[in-house]
Amino acid sequence: GAVVSQHPSRVICKSGTSVKIECRSLDFQATTMFWYRQFPKQSLMLMATSNEGSKATYEQGVEKDKFLINHASLTLSTLTVTSAHPEDSSFYICSAAWLGSGAYEQYFGPGTRLTVT
Amino acid sequence: TQLLEQSPQFLSIQEGENLTVYCNSSSVFSSLQWYRQEPGEGPVLLVTVVTGGEVKKLKRLTFQFGDARKDSSLHITAAQPGDTGLYLCAGVFTGTASKLTFGTGTRLQVTL
Repeated sequence: GAVVSQHPSRVICKSGTSVKIECRSLDFQATTMFWYRQFPKQSLMLMATSNEGSKATYEQGVEKDKFLINHASLTLSTLTVTSAHPEDSSFYICSAAWLGSGAYEQYFGPGTRLTVT
Repeated sequence: TQLLEQSPQFLSIQEGENLTVYCNSSSVFSSLQWYRQEPGEGPVLLVTVVTGGEVKKLKRLTFQFGDARKDSSLHITAAQPGDTGLYLCAGVFTGTASKLTFGTGTRLQVTL
């Protein structure tokens, strides 16, 4: 149980174009999902908290107009990187929150490697 | 700003050795999780600890939550090459719902 999928796993796009990444909780409903970014050999950096049916909450320094988040259902959140630039190249990972073991746990997708040329 | 410090950052050991990874904060966690991540993949949840002083075991891995719920440790007995990876602690600070704050990570390499 608690499986999260992410699509696509890898994407290469040209500078100036937009890319959409999907995150799905496959066997549970998640009112809250999270989007992270990870640079090589570093830990995860939280970008935003995605809440079903409401606006996402962005962390300080993350441009909400550049990283559009939509959480249209209890099993799907999407991250759209708009007008992508080479510096947006990174590993993007989503997670879905699940209440278990007496506390909220996060289950992660396999990640999306974005390369902007 | 709530910080979560993890040590050591890097660890290279031989198969069969024991090791301990530490995770510390000055703030209280409502819960803490340990993850392992392999290159190019998402983190995989290993354990969640909630109660101060709690000890959980997962085969050769032993997780301990500090009495004051401000720190945690992961001990691996008789490490194997399959244990190689990035170990991340992540805590939910009191009053922050399900939002996780991640530690800096410990990169473990176990060689034959």
